[in-house]
Amino acid sequence: DTAVSQTPKYLVTQMGNDKSIKCEQNLGHDTMYWYKQDSKKFLKIMFSYNNKELIINETVPNRFSPKSPDKAHLNLHINSLELGDSAVYFCASSQQGTAVQYFGPGTRLLVL
Amino acid sequence: SQQGEEDPQALSIQEGENATMNCSYKTSINNLQWYRQNSGRGLVHLILIRSNEREKHSGRLRVTLDTSKKSSSLLITASRAADTASYFCATVANDYKLSFGAGTTVTVRA
Repeated sequence: DTAVSQTPKYLVTQMGNDKSIKCEQNLGHDTMYWYKQDSKKFLKIMFSYNNKELIINETVPNRFSPKSPDKAHLNLHINSLELGDSAVYFCASSQQGTAVQYFGPGTRLLVL
Repeated sequence: SQQGEEDPQALSIQEGENATMNCSYKTSINNLQWYRQNSGRGLVHLILIRSNEREKHSGRLRVTLDTSKKSSSLLITASRAADTASYFCATVANDYKLSFGAGTTVTVRA
């Protein structure tokens, strides 16, 4: 009965590869987010979708492409991975009109 | 861009003591939230305080907000080992976007 789940939990890959991270929420929320947390624990929003439509797109390289097949899922695809992409990526969800967000457990990405 | 700045960066206290951390921000807000992150886990929402509120309590947590100084504080009373975590403030403007600070790492010693 996990509220916000992410897969995989750990991802180790070579530079130049393409990888995807999946996120699912069973809270019935209509808004989902992707955040990146760097090694200094600084958390920065990357994208947000509301009812499958992109509403926040921060300054993120276009190698990162989010995709929301439905309200309960928000996936993140990363092309041509670089060393600097190593970080923890968090998915979160909320209901539009409320400010509280619910976070997934994170995906630890290490690019070698 | 980073909105909140927590102070101190790290805090070590004895079990049973109180822990206080501060957050300063730069622009007008709709509300301010505090989240906790245990090591290797996701963030968990603790408490939300609206811009027209000055103080809020939730269990052992007490949050204050001073919009004139653009600052907030989080007090954890009677700390426990389980309170060991990183604590983040996040500000929300009218766009409902959370802007996080870099967090305060709290270690509670038994």
